[in-house]
Amino acid sequence: GAVVSQHPSWVICKSGTSVKIECRSLDFQATTMFWYRQFPKQSLMLMATSNEGSKATYEQGVEKDKFLINHASLTLSTLTVTSAHPEDSSFYICSASPLAGGPGEQFFGPGTRLTVL
Amino acid sequence: AQSVTQPDIHITVSEGASLELRCNYSYGATPYLFWYVQSPGQGLQLLLKYFSGDTLVQGIKGFEAEFKRSQSSFNLRKPSVHWSDAAEYFCAVGGYGNKLVFGAGTILRVKS
Repeated sequence: GAVVSQHPSWVICKSGTSVKIECRSLDFQATTMFWYRQFPKQSLMLMATSNEGSKATYEQGVEKDKFLINHASLTLSTLTVTSAHPEDSSFYICSASPLAGGPGEQFFGPGTRLTVL
Repeated sequence: AQSVTQPDIHITVSEGASLELRCNYSYGATPYLFWYVQSPGQGLQLLLKYFSGDTLVQGIKGFEAEFKRSQSSFNLRKPSVHWSDAAEYFCAVGGYGNKLVFGAGTILRVKS
């Protein structure tokens, strides 16, 4: 149980294009989903928190117009990197907190490797 | 504000040897503590968690962790390491709004 999927697992795109990454909780409903970014050999950096049906809350320094988050249902959240540039290349990981989960409990997706040429 | 310190960036142990990964946290209230493992290019897998109760927590893959409030620590242990345990390990503390604050991670290398 508690499986989170991400699609795609990797994507290569040209500079200036937009890329959408999906995050799904497969066997549970999630009150909250989180999006992280991880640079090589570094820890996870929280980008934003999203709750179903409401606007995402972005961490300080994260551009909300560049990283669009939509949380359409209790099992699906999407991250769209708009007008991507090489500096947006990174490993993006989502996580989901189950409705009946403990405080701080999150289940993580396998991650999406984004490479912008 | 919450913070997590993992003082060891890299640790190398021989296969079959015991392992202890250190984690210290800073949190004003009763902490909710987690250990995750990440293999290269993968997401994070939860090894174990502490919410309350028994301070010695058992997890998956033979791992355990002990919560010591007096030392603000939540160290991860395994009595006998296997080559497949080579990965990066993250300690995290749960904060406001179900957010997690992660440590910098410890990379475990296993010598055969």
